[in-house]
Amino acid sequence: SQKIEQNSEALNIQEGKTATLTCNYTNYSPAYLQWYRQDPGRGPVFLLLIRENEKEKRKERLKVTFDTTLKQSLFHITASQPADSATYLCALDRSGNTGKLIFGQGTTLQVKP
Amino acid sequence: NAGVTQTPKFQVLKTGQSMTLQCAQDMNHNSMYWYRQDPGMGLRLIYYSASEGTTDKGEVPNGYNVSRLNKREFSLRLESAAPSQTSVYFCASSDYRGINQPQHFGDGTRLSIL
Repeated sequence: SQKIEQNSEALNIQEGKTATLTCNYTNYSPAYLQWYRQDPGRGPVFLLLIRENEKEKRKERLKVTFDTTLKQSLFHITASQPADSATYLCALDRSGNTGKLIFGQGTTLQVKP
Repeated sequence: NAGVTQTPKFQVLKTGQSMTLQCAQDMNHNSMYWYRQDPGMGLRLIYYSASEGTTDKGEVPNGYNVSRLNKREFSLRLESAAPSQTSVYFCASSDYRGINQPQHFGDGTRLSIL
């Protein structure tokens, strides 16, 4: 069966450390993978998009990797801050590049001062 | 620039009642989406509209209908609400034209069916 999995347990880290979140998928062949941030009571907000031929993408303190062999994406936040506390969702295209995304259930990150 | 606007923000219905959730975007996007989000389930696609006048079923379409009124507006209708439809509903839009683009979300409608 097709699955996309994120660590359902909350990730607690100390301010200033690097947070690493994992997204694993099976039986999909996405051409793209996206990461979103969601705050309580709000809609998801887009962060980064990475294509299958891109190994790594960066935006300020954020870094995403995409390994199509391992079927895994890693999302890193360096020098984390309490304001980074939120739920982070990964999403991939159902089949190649249809524009229809399937989302993981999200990982909640808590950054403690 | 409002982005994606959803109305209402909260609604309580009785089983069997009908209602329409409204969504409008001001970014001139072609594609629009309706999702539901339940605890531990992630966002699940209900319906999708690639362009004005076209709609397509997503992962969980049963019990819902949609209407792409024009390029800006995409509504979701529950004809006979059931308790299983208690959820948070999100509308999104994107400039998808054959290449994946970010989706822009509204802040949701929290719907309770009693």
